[in-house]
Amino acid sequence: KQEVTQIPAALSVPEGENLVLNCSFTDSAIYNLQWFRQDPGKGLTSLLLIQSSQREQTSGRLNASLDKSSGRSTLYIAASQPGDSATYLCAVRGPNSKLTFGKGITLSVRP
Amino acid sequence: EAQVTQNPRYLITVTGKKLTVTCSQNMNHEYMSWYRQDPGLGLRQIYYSMNVEVTDKGDVPEGYKVSRKEKRNFPLILESPSPNQTSLYFCASSAQAGGTGSYNSPLHFGNGTRLTVT
Repeated sequence: KQEVTQIPAALSVPEGENLVLNCSFTDSAIYNLQWFRQDPGKGLTSLLLIQSSQREQTSGRLNASLDKSSGRSTLYIAASQPGDSATYLCAVRGPNSKLTFGKGITLSVRP
Repeated sequence: EAQVTQNPRYLITVTGKKLTVTCSQNMNHEYMSWYRQDPGLGLRQIYYSMNVEVTDKGDVPEGYKVSRKEKRNFPLILESPSPNQTSLYFCASSAQAGGTGSYNSPLHFGNGTRLTVT
């Protein structure tokens, strides 16, 4: 059974810092990995999707990497801003199309 | 605008009173699914559908029913709600259900339905 872990559960950084959010998964047989952002009481917004054959994807200040063999992904946020404060979740999609989510990392960027 | 629409956004009901949460997507997506989100437990899949008339249980299907009579709609039915079903519910969809097509099919979420069962 696939398990997805995100540690730590919460992170607080000063504005302007570059930071890395980690995601690990136990079964490397995945189709893709997706990073989401969730604001309090809201739905999830897709940030980046990395296919299993890819190593990384970039969108603006965000860069996500994938190392399938070691079961790890990182989300790099450059020059963090208070508007980046949210919960970040990763999810992996397996061969049966099932998505397994991590519990998320709640990020607070202090002005 | 491409979107997944859930209704209602908030719902307070009593134990045992049947209810339906609707979900509709306008992107012609094959795959649709329902999740519940609870503090400390994260997002858990309730049911999913690979296409019309094809539904499967997720991790926590007990107490829920779904149907997929048309591609765009995937309602979640609670026949006899109980307090332990108080939660935040999300519907989601993606273009491809599985196989190689799901390599690049991101999941799109609705805004959620906050259900309280007293």
